[in-house]
Amino acid sequence: DVKVTQSSRYLVKRTGEKVFLECVQDMDHENMFWYRQDPGLGLRLIYFSYDVKMKEKGDIPEGYSVSREKKERFSLILESASTNQTSMYLCASSPGDRSNQPQHFGDGTRLSIL
Amino acid sequence: GESVGLHLPTLSVQEGDNSIINCAYSNSASDYFIWYKQESGKGPQFIIDIRSNMDKRQGQRVTVLLNKTVKHLSLQIAATQPGDSAVYFCAEKFDYGQNFVFGPGTRLSVLP
Repeated sequence: DVKVTQSSRYLVKRTGEKVFLECVQDMDHENMFWYRQDPGLGLRLIYFSYDVKMKEKGDIPEGYSVSREKKERFSLILESASTNQTSMYLCASSPGDRSNQPQHFGDGTRLSIL
Repeated sequence: GESVGLHLPTLSVQEGDNSIINCAYSNSASDYFIWYKQESGKGPQFIIDIRSNMDKRQGQRVTVLLNKTVKHLSLQIAATQPGDSAVYFCAEKFDYGQNFVFGPGTRLSVLP
């Protein structure tokens, strides 16, 4: 089975801090994604990556950046955390071929910014 | 912009009954659809998928129906069990790229 592991289940940080959320997948997937999930809004795409050192902005990239130095690891960075970034963050991965494949998700990081 | 939506935000069913969760999509160019199940405290779990060249696909106790004429997707769960209680949401992918658009979800509650 595909395993997507997010390093923290719960995280509490303060406004202005730089926050790192880590995600690792063990299936050699090319594609990796970061979403935030808020009640009533569904999953919104922050950033995604199709390959090592490649990144693309999603629908809501403001206030975030990402890093993909290794194929299996995709990091989400909050440069200066704000209270409106309190949310559930989900990482996902999928194969890089062009056939239709589902995204596989981690269990999420619930981030609270005080 | 294009979006995926759900008709019902909550659904309560009796244990043993069949459940039907609906989803409307707006992009006629979407070619691939997925249903996910998300239990409390966990990430979304893949349930079943369907490609646009199909109308129906069956899994274990689940069936997905796709009606491209009215852009409607449904998930049917047979003999609903307490373990089926979760939030279910659909996702659609356009015919390019690897990105999905996700619906907000429907909470399914199974009553004893």
